[in-house]
Amino acid sequence: TAGITQAPTSQILAAGRSMTLRCTQDMRHNAMYWYRQDLGLGLRLIHYSNTAGTTGKGEVPDGYSVSRANTDDFPLTLASAVPSQTSVYFCASGGERGDTDTQYFGPGTRLTVL
Amino acid sequence: AQSVTQPDIHITVSEGASLELRCNYSYGATPYLFWYVQSPGQGLQLLLKYFSGDTLVQGIKGFEAEFKRSQSSFNLRKPSVHWSDAAEYFCAVKLVRGSTLGRLYFGRGTQLTVWP
Repeated sequence: TAGITQAPTSQILAAGRSMTLRCTQDMRHNAMYWYRQDLGLGLRLIHYSNTAGTTGKGEVPDGYSVSRANTDDFPLTLASAVPSQTSVYFCASGGERGDTDTQYFGPGTRLTVL
Repeated sequence: AQSVTQPDIHITVSEGASLELRCNYSYGATPYLFWYVQSPGQGLQLLLKYFSGDTLVQGIKGFEAEFKRSQSSFNLRKPSVHWSDAAEYFCAVKLVRGSTLGRLYFGRGTQLTVWP
């Protein structure tokens, strides 16, 4: 099974440009999450979605937006990238029947903003 | 402030030696507890989790963790480390049980180096 896929694997982006990071899961999980990972800081939650059609802000939402049009997809958009958004971005999903508390992670997208 | 602490940023052990990675949390109630492993260039893989019941939980790859309520700790252990265990390890907690509304709070990670 594919689990969670993310695209692109890596990207170099000029400051001021926009970009959408894609995330797709095939596990029919209700909840999906976006985290960013920075050296020495662990993972921090950017946005989340408890179910299709709803989204919420996490710990570091500024400069990012998300949408959840269906169960499987949860894209993350940077409207106008800044160098501080250089990071590794992980998408996660969770909410399996019988275990709503475990989250499963995608392989990540490494983004460099110059 | 609520937090998850992994006091060791970097640990080096010899192959075959035992391993213990520390994790402490500071929350009012017992949260759900997780350990994830991240190999270089990879995503996070769930090693094990504690929700309730037996405080010693077994995970994949020969890892185990023990929940100690009195110490607010959830330390990860392995009796004999293999070179392939070299990776970064993250402790995480979730405060809201039985609901997808709860987010994961992560520690800053412990980088494990294994000497041959």
